[in-house]
Amino acid sequence: DQQVKQNSPSLSVQEGRISILNCDYTNSMFDYFLWYKKYPAEGPTFLISISSIKDKNEDGRFTVFLNKSAKHLSLHIVPSQPGDSAVYFCAATSGTYKYIFGTGTRLKVLA
Amino acid sequence: NAGVTQTPKFRILKIGQSMTLQCTQDMNHNYMYWYRQDPGMGLKLIYYSVGAGITDKGEVPNGYNVSRSTTEDFPLRLELAAPSQTSVYFCASDGRVQGASGANVLTFGAGSRLTVL
Repeated sequence: DQQVKQNSPSLSVQEGRISILNCDYTNSMFDYFLWYKKYPAEGPTFLISISSIKDKNEDGRFTVFLNKSAKHLSLHIVPSQPGDSAVYFCAATSGTYKYIFGTGTRLKVLA
Repeated sequence: NAGVTQTPKFRILKIGQSMTLQCTQDMNHNYMYWYRQDPGMGLKLIYYSVGAGITDKGEVPNGYNVSRSTTEDFPLRLELAAPSQTSVYFCASDGRVQGASGANVLTFGAGSRLTVL
């Protein structure tokens, strides 16, 4: 039972354009969502998060949107840079110790 | 500030062998976690701990054991290695206060790549 789904395993975007990474969830009890970025041979690092009481959170080039009725969140990266090429994981929690991760989307930003 | 440190980075085991993956953090975090990452499968929680002396199972605990004798250390033990345990293992911690609501950011180690042949 995959409670957090990232249906696109990979995405290629031209440098300077917008990257949109999507994530769907099934558990309506989730109230906090996070995005992590992972480079090869490194551990995931925190990127941005959003509480369920908000529908948007912005941090520089990164914006996360949450649509609770659709149980969907997305990460927008504008403008995309080659250094953004990595695997992106979304994660969700119901405010407890358990973070449920999606399967990841590999983003490739083409120079 | 080292954060979360995992050893070894790489290991090859034969079927049936045992080993311990070490994890230590220097941030005085109460919560610690072990995840495994399989290709295309995301991160699955193996075990977690909310403080010294307290551990509990996650989504995929079979074949593993943990202990938490100190706040800093959270080793993961494989008793009888099987090919299905070939994976990349990540240890993580977060600094929330036990019982507090909300969510904290996880800090991950660099990972330990284990191959069982």
